[in-house]
Amino acid sequence: EPEVTQTPSHQVTQMGQEVILRCVPISNHLYFYWYRQILGQKVEFLVSFYNNEISEKSEIFDDQFSVERPDGSNFTLKIRSTKLEDSAMYFCASKREGAEQYFGPGTRLTVT
Amino acid sequence: AQSVTQPDIHITVSEGASLELRCNYSYGATPYLFWYVQSPGQGLQLLLKYFSGDTLVQGIKGFEAEFKRSQSSFNLRKPSVHWSDAAEYFCAVGVMTGNQFYFGTGTSLTVIP
Repeated sequence: EPEVTQTPSHQVTQMGQEVILRCVPISNHLYFYWYRQILGQKVEFLVSFYNNEISEKSEIFDDQFSVERPDGSNFTLKIRSTKLEDSAMYFCASKREGAEQYFGPGTRLTVT
Repeated sequence: AQSVTQPDIHITVSEGASLELRCNYSYGATPYLFWYVQSPGQGLQLLLKYFSGDTLVQGIKGFEAEFKRSQSSFNLRKPSVHWSDAAEYFCAVGVMTGNQFYFGTGTSLTVIP
């Protein structure tokens, strides 16, 4: 069964550094998402991406964040200058039109 | 605005006992409804979903959920809990025209022998 994959599984970075989290959505999916989950809290929506542009973003998704689909398979989330409060689990998801979202296993980001 | 409420932060049940996890949502029309399970350090696994039709839906691992429009609820049930069911459970709402999912705060399930 096709799966959403994410790399790395765990990323440790120093405050102020840039990080790129990578996702490979399911191949025939059209909509792509990033969510985050701060430890012990609920999963929060960050951004959705469709037709090579952002279709929706939350207030969390400020200028420090960006997304890109650099080729036909990858979907990346970049944090330009990480802060301690960016430490969280980041989930990528994808879906076809009208179907449920399929979530990847997540990348745990630790900012020190 | 859409929202999801899971009133129970933590539930403890004995192995073999029945389980019901509550979920209430706020949305003006019929939403897509989902239950996900998350084991420690793991991703989100879909247990079941409701789009339309029969309001009682069956999922994996013996779970079921019932959509009650009048109560704006989508409670998750299992008749007999196994120790391996200990995890965090999240209810989520997806709207018809929008993109994002709205998650509840989760219910942590502990199973005691």
